[in-house]
Amino acid sequence: GAGVSQSPSNKVTEKGKDVELRCDPISGHTALYWYRQSLGQGLEFLIYFQGNSAPDKSGLPSDRFSAERTGGSVSTLTIQRTQQEDSAVYLCASSRNSPRAGGYNEQFFGPGTRLTVL
Amino acid sequence: GESVGLHLPTLSVQEGDNSIINCAYSNSASDYFIWYKQESGKGPQFIIDIRSNMDKRQGQRVTVLLNKTVKHLSLQIAATQPGDSAVYFCAEYGTSYGKLTFGQGTILTVHP
Repeated sequence: GAGVSQSPSNKVTEKGKDVELRCDPISGHTALYWYRQSLGQGLEFLIYFQGNSAPDKSGLPSDRFSAERTGGSVSTLTIQRTQQEDSAVYLCASSRNSPRAGGYNEQFFGPGTRLTVL
Repeated sequence: GESVGLHLPTLSVQEGDNSIINCAYSNSASDYFIWYKQESGKGPQFIIDIRSNMDKRQGQRVTVLLNKTVKHLSLQIAATQPGDSAVYFCAEYGTSYGKLTFGQGTILTVHP
């Protein structure tokens, strides 16, 4: 079946512009995660959605970053007034169920959106 | 040219050798530990996981060892193949909303 898809695959923007990154999770997956991967680094958690609500936004680096999810499916990550330090690969992952104590729900990752801020 | 900031540990092996990739973790309360493989231009791909109450788990050609005393995790790949060349990340699965905390990553290069 189809995996997690993200668009665009690459985005080049000028400093100060706003960008929107899109994630289509695997159909039926209720949990959705956004991560950021800077060059040569590991992945950094940004935000988690369960359905349309975001119980954990603790990883968003500043108030320029926001995300929403509609219909329990597609999610959009918006970065306002982009800065050069926002340049990174933004990865989305989804899992079948909500996290549960004592259990692990595998997260399936999309290919990411490579954002370059000039 | 080489990118500034790219200081991931690297491991180079010959095809057919066994590979061992190591990871130190920080949160003793983590419930699961997972190894991911990331090929160039792709998202991380799940390899194997291990629960914190285990010390060893085997999959197909891979074995994960967990030493909770020293907070150390390792991934062993048997008979390494060129297709195994990638960046390997360990991750801790937290009970707080299931977010993954990733380690720095290790670049594995397999020479034919």
